Amino acid sequence: NAGVTQTPKFQVLKTGQSMTLQCAQDMNHNSMYWYRQDPGMGLRLIYYSASEGTTDKGEVPNGYNVSRLNKREFSLRLESAAPSQTSVYFCASIRTSGKETQYFGPGTRLLVL
Amino acid sequence: AQTVTQSQPEMSVQEAETVTLSCTYDTSESDYYLFWYKQPPSRQMILVIRQEAYKQQNATENRFSVNFQKAAKSFSLKISDSQLGDAAMYFCAYRSGDFGNEKLTFGTGTRLTIIP
Repeated sequence: NAGVTQTPKFQVLKTGQSMTLQCAQDMNHNSMYWYRQDPGMGLRLIYYSASEGTTDKGEVPNGYNVSRLNKREFSLRLESAAPSQTSVYFCASIRTSGKETQYFGPGTRLLVL
Repeated sequence: AQTVTQSQPEMSVQEAETVTLSCTYDTSESDYYLFWYKQPPSRQMILVIRQEAYKQQNATENRFSVNFQKAAKSFSLKISDSQLGDAAMYFCAYRSGDFGNEKLTFGTGTRLTIIP
């Protein structure tokens, strides 16, 4: 099992450019999440998908869109990147069975100039 | 909304000694889970230990243990016999016990330095 994978690992964008961060899990998990991590802020939830076909906003959704393409894949799109979106982005997934915790991907470091 | 507070931005400990990282949280729920995650320089988020709120017994995982005080809403992590590989950022996190609400709320982290 690869667990949770994310692509790309690192990306540089110019202000106004768009891009999609990809996330996939091979653990047959129901729920998937996107977090961002900024210095001194911990991880904050952007969007999540409790099951295939559903998505919900988290704490900091502005400037982002998501797509739950199927059970395995959950993508995060920046339509018009801003310097404030410079961050490390983590995808996570969970089976949804009580005691489970979330499994995290390795992160994508995004720099917006 | 739930909040998680880590009041120690940085901590240091001598190798082989014991260190305790603090975490407090605020919630009105009675069913929830608490976690400590370790984030080394590789940035990978690694689960260290978990605690179910309905369990009175404190969780332990080898050199890692917690002091869970439900009434005080406190959840500290004790690392015994500290090793160089323990150097990392440590995040406390809260998860609701509600089915379908498994999102995590994180504290701001504590950077732990191990002094050889």
